[in-house]
Amino acid sequence: LAKTTQPISMDSYEGQEVNITCSHNNIATNDYITWYQQFPSQGPRFIIQGYKTKVTNEVASLFIPADRKSSTLSLPRVSLSDTAVYYCLVAYTGGFKTIFGAGTRLFVKA
Amino acid sequence: DSGVTQTPKHLITATGQRVTLRCSPRSGDLSVYWYQQSLDQGLQFLIHYYNGEERAKGNILERFSAQQFPDLHSELNLSSLELGDSALYFCASSLGTSGYNEQFFGPGTRLTVL
Repeated sequence: LAKTTQPISMDSYEGQEVNITCSHNNIATNDYITWYQQFPSQGPRFIIQGYKTKVTNEVASLFIPADRKSSTLSLPRVSLSDTAVYYCLVAYTGGFKTIFGAGTRLFVKA
Repeated sequence: DSGVTQTPKHLITATGQRVTLRCSPRSGDLSVYWYQQSLDQGLQFLIHYYNGEERAKGNILERFSAQQFPDLHSELNLSSLELGDSALYFCASSLGTSGYNEQFFGPGTRLTVL
């Protein structure tokens, strides 16, 4: 299973764009990259998922370079309510285990 | 609301005791996952069931066991409880078995072992 590495924490201000990078050097051909968001005392919530290049939804964008050894979650114009822990997860199509890393604690300040 | 329900919401018990946590997946989901999250820690995958069958085990202690019933609800049994078992226990469900299937998490059960 691919192991992921993310920054432990990040600070930002309201209205700024936040980019959180995840390293997954031993990602395999069939692996997908998924990001989850977790607020205190709540279960994680799916944000976005991708395989290569760029994926965008109403919440975020996910950038994956050609070698797929890293990925970047981009949150446009963050607000205080985006303060949460963000997990990068690499999961492959044939597998059943989902390994969440330690996550990145994002703190958005006014 | 994810559609996943967990009961009880809170549980306080003593060391050495046994408890059962219950999870009902979203309608139509066949997979159930259990996770443990200790204070300020990441999510630790415990076990995955699909349509009643165990599919994968993570860092689940021998004192812990789980099962998924024909109606697809799942129970996590924790026995001989220790102080270190105090944590949030999350259940998640997904439609299929693949790791890339979106998982929908329940609100969690907060277990306190005194």
